[in-house]
Amino acid sequence: AQSVAQPEDQVNVAEGNPLTVKCTYSVSGNPYLFWYVQYPNRGLQFLLKYITGDNLVKGSYGFEAEFNKSQTSFHLKKPSALVSDSALYFCAVRDSSYGNNRLAFGKGNQVVVIP
Amino acid sequence: EAGVAQSPRYKIIEKRQSVAFWCNPISGHATLYWYQQILGQGPKLLIQFQNNGVVDDSQLPKDRFSAERLKGVDSTLKIQPAKLEDSAVYLCASSLNRDRSYEQYFGPGTRLTVT
Repeated sequence: AQSVAQPEDQVNVAEGNPLTVKCTYSVSGNPYLFWYVQYPNRGLQFLLKYITGDNLVKGSYGFEAEFNKSQTSFHLKKPSALVSDSALYFCAVRDSSYGNNRLAFGKGNQVVVIP
Repeated sequence: EAGVAQSPRYKIIEKRQSVAFWCNPISGHATLYWYQQILGQGPKLLIQFQNNGVVDDSQLPKDRFSAERLKGVDSTLKIQPAKLEDSAVYLCASSLNRDRSYEQYFGPGTRLTVT
């Protein structure tokens, strides 16, 4: 089965500093990778996706992600973090192992942006 | 455009009781998903519907969980009888169709506590 790993539980960053949330993947074939964000008491929101093409993918709210095939990584980045970016971030991969294009999510990273 | 609606938002029950959750997807979305999100973990797909047919229920504990989407619009997820380990947030999501499964829109979730 396809899977993603998010090695850190929490990422703390000062407001205005660059933000990076790490994700590595394990897939057979070409990976379809995604990032979602979850604000408190709300459902997940789609941020961005990588399917093919440029390794640098731009998404919502100023976020971008870099696909690195040699390192099997898909890290989420933002050049300058805002306090409002404090949330739970999930990396996901499309898993076709079971005959259906389900999403397999990582465990999530709590991001805390310190004013 | 109205988002995915879920009710109730919170539910507390005792073990061995039954509970039902309701979801109304975004209008026109053919594919509906139910996820279980246990604290500290990413969402896990329980069941996926395409219109009113089940596409994937391989991770649904069928001895106690059931779901239906009779008219291809709203859906109900039921647990009977509940166990302590069922305490989680139950998320409903929808997408335009199966090909767009990577772009899912999530509801706010129902937080279930089993005591």
